[in-house]
Amino acid sequence: DGGITQSPKYLFRKEGQNVTLSCEQNLNHDAMYWYRQDPGQGLRLIYYSQIVNDFQKGDIAEGYSVSREKKESFPLTVTSAQKNPTAFYLCASRVSAKNIQYFGAGTRLSVL
Amino acid sequence: AQSVTQPDIHITVSEGASLELRCNYSYGATPYLFWYVQSPGQGLQLLLKYFSGDTLVQGIKGFEAEFKRSQSSFNLRKPSVHWSDAAEYFCAVGDYNNNDMRFGAGTRLTVKP
Repeated sequence: DGGITQSPKYLFRKEGQNVTLSCEQNLNHDAMYWYRQDPGQGLRLIYYSQIVNDFQKGDIAEGYSVSREKKESFPLTVTSAQKNPTAFYLCASRVSAKNIQYFGAGTRLSVL
Repeated sequence: AQSVTQPDIHITVSEGASLELRCNYSYGATPYLFWYVQSPGQGLQLLLKYFSGDTLVQGIKGFEAEFKRSQSSFNLRKPSVHWSDAAEYFCAVGDYNNNDMRFGAGTRLTVKP
């Protein structure tokens, strides 16, 4: 089945801890995105990557880091510098020829 | 900078009634417009999109939307709502490569039996 897989579905972070959210796609899409969703605020872009080994900051990149070592994978690390990490995180991907983003099922991150 | 406003935070309609969700956008050039739907705890599913051409676009699940440039609007409509349509709906505007897609805050739809 082709699609975008985010794991885990639920994640808990302790104070001072870094955590990594996984996003894998088998759609052969070129671009990948990470969004943060908070109640009543819609989605805000954290980072995006158009090609392997290259990525750009979005509106709220502070306290987050990403890597794009493989076309299929775009993991997001929530660092201890992110003081308010509790949110729903969504990964998306897009094929270059089409102007449409497709989304994974999301990861809900909470702070212990 | 582009932006999207969804004026209604929450809408309640009766099953079988018609539905219109409002979306207003701000964008300097020709916008790429989208409507997505999100069920609780899930990702976003694309309902429909407008890039150019016919201003009335049809989507999945019986939804349609009309692009009105003069009003900077892209309202979503459905003639008869089903209980399974209860969800959160997001309008979004993007540029030509869609790397800077902006989302509205969403409208939560409740369907009464």
